[in-house]
Order: sequence, then structure tokens, then C-alpha cells
Amino acid sequence: QVQLQESGPGLVKPSETLSLTCAVSGYSISSGYYWGWIRQPPGKGLEWIGSIYHSGSTYYNPSLKSRVTISVDTSKNQFSLKLSSVTAADTAVYYCARQEGYYYGSGSYFYWFDPWGQGTLVTVSS
Amino acid sequence: QSALTQPASVSGSPGQSITISCTGTSSDVGGYNYVSWYQQHPGKAPKLMIYDVSKRPSGVSNRFSGSKSGNTASLTISGLQAEDEADYYCSSYTSSSTFGVVFGGGTKLTVL
Repeated sequence: QVQLQESGPGLVKPSETLSLTCAVSGYSISSGYYWGWIRQPPGKGLEWIGSIYHSGSTYYNPSLKSRVTISVDTSKNQFSLKLSSVTAADTAVYYCARQEGYYYGSGSYFYWFDPWGQGTLVTVSS
Repeated sequence: QSALTQPASVSGSPGQSITISCTGTSSDVGGYNYVSWYQQHPGKAPKLMIYDVSKRPSGVSNRFSGSKSGNTASLTISGLQAEDEADYYCSSYTSSSTFGVVFGGGTKLTVL
């Protein structure tokens, strides 16, 4: 079955760039689907960060768009998240997930996330 | 993109039914049948329970059901069991600002 696993530093300094990778097993990213990042600050709710279509088209949460880059590496069957100029407010558990949706050229419809990775806690602190 | 509105908490006794609401706008919940629901136990990743408003993934108990009326979607859990105690989040496609996804603030379900 499809499995996703996040990896990356657990501690990032303020103003630096947070970088995470999601390794996918059991499915080839290049075959289809969207691939998304979602985060959850401690004790709070879920927030969509952004998604990437297997072809490389990206979609970002408008509130984070200026700081976010999501990319895909089909040769390694993984996708990545970069979040720049981080502050303590970016401290959260970061999840990656496969996302169902429909691509119609000029845009996309996004349906649901399944499955999810186990999540990785990233703390922003000096 | 504003978060969808969910009650902070609901509770019920074993065997009872509960319903969790999720209110949005015509740009998200009301405008599209792309509402999904997730269950999250403490320290665990969210699990998909309902998609496309009312469809259940394989392996999810038929005690879980979803519906929508206007700008409000609902998750109903019947025959409450202790294992249902968790946080529940709704989510929807949104066309506001740009194409995207919006989540509800989450509802803590307590089984008394």
C-alpha cells in the first residue's frame, strides 16, 4: 500500500528556511495524483500549506504563498517543502499526504487527502 | 481563505448518535461537493473518514456518515464507541482567492 514518510531537521532558527522531504513508497509519483503538505501547530487545527500535481503545477495557501516552495523529484519518488523566513509561529507538526483532485489545465479541484505521513515536528527557536 | 466553522466540542454516551457541523460559504462547502472529514487521535496523523460529502473509504465503519445542506456539512456518528473519542476536522475545496483547500478548526468528541 502507499506510504509516505516525512524527514528533515526538527529544529530551525528564526529567519532561516525550513526544508522537509516526503518519501513515497508503494506508488510512483509520476503516475498521477496531487501531493500535499499540511501543518498543525501544537494544540491547534490543521492548515493546508500547498500541493503539487505530479506534472509539477503548484498551488499554495495564499497566506503562505510568498514564503513557500513545493517541488517534486520523480527520480527519487519524493516531494519537498521549503518555507523561508520562519518564525516561532511556524512551529508545528508537518504532514505530507497524497491528494485526490482533478486537473483541468487552467486550474484544479482538490478533493481529499489519503493517506497521510506520520508527521514530523519542526520547532523554530534560536 | 477563512477556516470552516466547527463546534469546539461535542459529547455523547456509548450507543448514542452525535452530529458535528461544518459551516462555510458558497465558495467552499456550499458551492462544491468536495467536503471531506478526518479523524485524529492524540499524537497520530489524521485519517480520512468521509469524502465527497457522504462517501466512505473502504474499511471505515458504516457508523460514520456525512451530509450537506446549503453551506453546512455534517458528520454523524451512530452507535458511539469509546474508540470514536478523537478530534474531527472537516475540509473543503475553496475557490476564494485562488484554488485551494480549507480546513475547519476541529471538534473534540468526548465519549462519556
